[in-house]
Amino acid sequence: NAGVTQTPKFQVLKTGQSMTLQCAQDMNHEYMSWYRQDPGMGLRLIHYSVGAGITDQGEVPNGYNVSRSTTEDFPLRLLSAAPSQTSVYFCASSYGTGRRSPLHFGNGTRLTVT
Amino acid sequence: AQSVTQPDIHITVSEGASLELRCNYSYGATPYLFWYVQSPGQGLQLLLKYFSGDTLVQGIKGFEAEFKRSQSSFNLRKPSVHWSDAAEYFCATFTTGGGNKLTFGTGTQLKVEL
Repeated sequence: NAGVTQTPKFQVLKTGQSMTLQCAQDMNHEYMSWYRQDPGMGLRLIHYSVGAGITDQGEVPNGYNVSRSTTEDFPLRLLSAAPSQTSVYFCASSYGTGRRSPLHFGNGTRLTVT
Repeated sequence: AQSVTQPDIHITVSEGASLELRCNYSYGATPYLFWYVQSPGQGLQLLLKYFSGDTLVQGIKGFEAEFKRSQSSFNLRKPSVHWSDAAEYFCATFTTGGGNKLTFGTGTQLKVEL
């Protein structure tokens, strides 16, 4: 049981480049989300999805796009990377959307934008 | 809006000593509270959660936390710390809106001295 798998683990981009952070889960979870982690700021929600075909914005969505074409996958796209997007990105999923559904986290992608 | 505060950025304890990590919440009703641990290079792992009922909750790895409404606190404790407990610890609360959104504290970095 792989759980939540994120690729790549590390990535370096130049300003203006684009890339996609991959997230896949094999637990048949309906809810998936992306957080970014920055020193002294904890984790902040970027985007989330409550099911295939449904996405919505979190608290820091600017500069990021998402789509959810399947239950398993929830990629995060950076269309034009900026140094302010240097961060560690975590994908998380849960069975349901209620407060009693614990989130399962991937191991993260460390992104550096120069 | 619901929020949590972790007042200690860094804590150092000796192996075998007891540990208490502080978390204060801000919410008028009964909050849903969580403690997560993040080991270096890893994702976040759920230690324990509080929804209602018994105010002392037991978690994995020998951790426990006590919900105190009078103090708006949900402190994490362990009677005897092991070197492998060195990690970053996050308190979080379930937040309405955002599906299954968690709002995280800024984290407490635990160092264990041998």
